[in-house]
Amino acid sequence: ILNVEQSPQSLHVQEGDSTNFTCSFPSSNFYALHWYRWETAKSPEALFVMTLNGDEKKKGRISATLNTKEGYSYLYIKGSQPEDSATYLCASPRLRDDKIIFGKGTRLHILP
Amino acid sequence: EAQVTQNPRYLITVTGKKLTVTCSQNMNHEYMSWYRQDPGLGLRQIYYSMNVEVTDKGDVPEGYKVSRKEKRNFPLILESPSPNQTSLYFCASSLNRQSGGYTFGSGTRLTVV
Repeated sequence: ILNVEQSPQSLHVQEGDSTNFTCSFPSSNFYALHWYRWETAKSPEALFVMTLNGDEKKKGRISATLNTKEGYSYLYIKGSQPEDSATYLCASPRLRDDKIIFGKGTRLHILP
Repeated sequence: EAQVTQNPRYLITVTGKKLTVTCSQNMNHEYMSWYRQDPGLGLRQIYYSMNVEVTDKGDVPEGYKVSRKEKRNFPLILESPSPNQTSLYFCASSLNRQSGGYTFGSGTRLTVV
């Protein structure tokens, strides 16, 4: 993996169901992994900053895990609610320069 | 309130007319960055700054300039805008590039005709 990649690109989930999606990033020279939530017509807001292999962070019904050796992070949403509809972005700082690279996001739609 | 203030929110301009989008943060953050967001391409980094007087090109710097004369301000300058610079622009800052998540400005929707 040379860049930050997210899957799926889009996801439709029934209200009340739980869901998860993936962020893949270069595992060599790992620095940190950020998750953001981006609602339509607003700015992205930071959810989690993760740095350690095996890290697990939680914020209400949303949690994230990190595997730096294989280069992936999962974001989980438990019991999806309409307000969870948003695009979820992950980003990783690159060690070889000082750039912070974003994935293209997973667009989550919660169906009533 | 801790925030990144970005102005203007909306701007329509003509090709070739120089413009500046301002960005200011009140959190004493070291790292500041500009991104553009285009459909299907995600957020792409234009320029970033590790600290005062230290700026570097991101992945799409062509046609843009920046400066970081003070810690709080990081303006984005388009010397001669062209229609392919029509986009949604975000300024963002963080304490440093690895330990802090970004705080984003409210975005600038730029249209170049």
